[in-house]
Amino acid sequence: DIQMTQSPSFLSASVGDRVTITCRASQDIGNYLAWYQQRPGKVPKVLIYAASTLQSGVPSRFSARGSGTDFTLIISSLQPEDFATYYCQRYYIAPWTFGQGTKVEIK
Amino acid sequence: QLVESGGGLVQPGGPLRLSCAVSGFNFRNYWMSWVRQAPGKGLEWVASINQDGSEKSYADSVRGRFTVSRDNSKQSVDLQVNSLGADDTAVYFCGAGYYIDFWGQGTLVIVSS
Repeated sequence: DIQMTQSPSFLSASVGDRVTITCRASQDIGNYLAWYQQRPGKVPKVLIYAASTLQSGVPSRFSARGSGTDFTLIISSLQPEDFATYYCQRYYIAPWTFGQGTKVEIK
Repeated sequence: QLVESGGGLVQPGGPLRLSCAVSGFNFRNYWMSWVRQAPGKGLEWVASINQDGSEKSYADSVRGRFTVSRDNSKQSVDLQVNSLGADDTAVYFCGAGYYIDFWGQGTLVIVSS
């Protein structure tokens, strides 16, 4: 089965920092890749779909790129509300596997 | 809006039926999924069902024990869960979309004797 591996699992950053999170698929998934943000105690929220398309209403400081097996989520200037856990997910074709998550904490 | 129900405390080996009632969007147009999150852990995809219920997919960890179904006339999706073990303790979310565009608030399932 396909594996989705995120790195790092944890990162500590300051407000204003540029943050990069990567997600690697164990096989080619095309661009069927979504990124979610989950704040503590909250429901996940989709940020990006189709590997690089920003969901409506999501701030433009979020961007993403990649296709095939290697994907990246970028937060250009970290804001206080961005401290959360981020997950990638392969979708459309089973298994719709999530990455293990990347927790972004305040330095 | 997605509203899950049916969670609670269940004994190991027991069954449970989770339901998700949907409103506010055209349910018939959406794949529906169940995703769970064990306490303090990450998201785990559990199962998905296509728009007319003809295609169903399951995670290896639940295949043969869980069954997903939907009723388009009632705008609801269910997850029948059987042979529950401690590892199934989690908040179960239902979600709509190929990528999950809409999420419910989740229902907590605790498997314990």
